[in-house]
Amino acid sequence: GQQLNQSPQSMFIQEGEDVSMNCTSSSIFNTWLWYKQDPGEGPVLLIALYKAGELTSNGRLTAQFGITRKDSFLNISASIPSDVGIYFCAGYENNDMRFGAGTRLTVKP
Amino acid sequence: DSGVTQTPKHLITATGQRVTLRCSPRSGDLSVYWYQQSLDQGLQFLIQYYNGEERAKGNILERFSAQQFPDLHSELNLSSLELGDSALYFCASSVGGGTNTGELFFGEGSRLTVL
Repeated sequence: GQQLNQSPQSMFIQEGEDVSMNCTSSSIFNTWLWYKQDPGEGPVLLIALYKAGELTSNGRLTAQFGITRKDSFLNISASIPSDVGIYFCAGYENNDMRFGAGTRLTVKP
Repeated sequence: DSGVTQTPKHLITATGQRVTLRCSPRSGDLSVYWYQQSLDQGLQFLIQYYNGEERAKGNILERFSAQQFPDLHSELNLSSLELGDSALYFCASSVGGGTNTGELFFGEGSRLTVL
């Protein structure tokens, strides 16, 4: 199915910097999710958002469910080398799951 | 550990051959999804099963087929393999049904190399 629009496609940052990535869609979703894929591994769920406007944190990660239900962002504060990987957003509505193309994050020590 | 088990982890085969990838979902999950991830690409949805029945179909080629068995494990069959089928194949599971929240739990993937 149609992928979500996720940006940026890739990021190269210095350790300690903050990171922001976002996802937009032409359709509304009742759930937004963010996954991280480490090299050679399967994606792992980081944060799930269930309500428009919801802001949720998980350690150094903060994600928000856009008020229009058509977008979401993920922030990572004070990045560390193990934050390296691909971050995928996903929208879910009535058994329809759509993934973004991913943001590839590289963190330089 | 997500609780989703995929076998084999790695598979090397030749063009024209047929392979079967296996997935055991998390205990209690009724829904199984299959995704294909080519090198440096995103996750391409192939197919979903819920409690033994096909629930949704994505960009799955006619050469590919899947099923979910009564014990809820699933198999993805890939036949007449081509070089372009080389990819990571992920299985994911979720609770499924009316209580489904969209949270998927992924296995570690099966890396298929077609030579």
